[in-house]
Amino acid sequence: DSGVTQTPKHLITATGQRVTLRCSPRSGDLSVYWYQQSLDQGLQFLIQYYNGEERAKGNILERFSAQQFPDLHSELNLSSLELGDSALYFCASSDTSGPSTDTQYFGPGTRLTVL
Amino acid sequence: AQTVTQSQPEMSVQEAETVTLSCTYDTSESDYYLFWYKQPPSRQMILVIRQEAYKQQNATENRFSVNFQKAAKSFSLKISDSQLGDAAMYFCFLSGTYKYIFGTGTRLKVLA
Repeated sequence: DSGVTQTPKHLITATGQRVTLRCSPRSGDLSVYWYQQSLDQGLQFLIQYYNGEERAKGNILERFSAQQFPDLHSELNLSSLELGDSALYFCASSDTSGPSTDTQYFGPGTRLTVL
Repeated sequence: AQTVTQSQPEMSVQEAETVTLSCTYDTSESDYYLFWYKQPPSRQMILVIRQEAYKQQNATENRFSVNFQKAAKSFSLKISDSQLGDAAMYFCFLSGTYKYIFGTGTRLKVLA
């Protein structure tokens, strides 16, 4: 158990809908990262937050957005969902904010299925 | 641009034997970290080992060790005394300046 929690474990929804994935980092970690794992794109970094502020952006679509709240939990919002958004979404956390971050600890993931 | 390449989609090893998974990377940065993560069928991402780029000494964690060749930009993982529980996808991961890149993974099969 990494100490990172994600809810829900599974999510099934229809095209065009909007969903919110939630992540709680390890105790004391200020950085949260979101990744998408799909069959065709592999594991891709989406976005990083540090202590409530956006720190880095990867291949995140405009339909996707994220935020980190004062209690440090983070939410990833996916809207206008398409079939291709079906994937496993991971959250990770670390206790560093520097540009070359140290170890990231991963949550169990949320499996999103778009029908 | 940073890249990570794992050229072995699949590897097999006999139980108790040793196997080496390859990873090459490209980055123009001098300060970065390299990791190997394991993803078993449960899909959980589990940290196996980490290496700081500024350290010349190769990292070791029990049966897992790396061969870090900075000039060649190579970062291979050696698993000794392979166990059935080592069967999983293994991902090489480069953490640079606000850039985080995974390789495509190597599926490791352990034969009894």
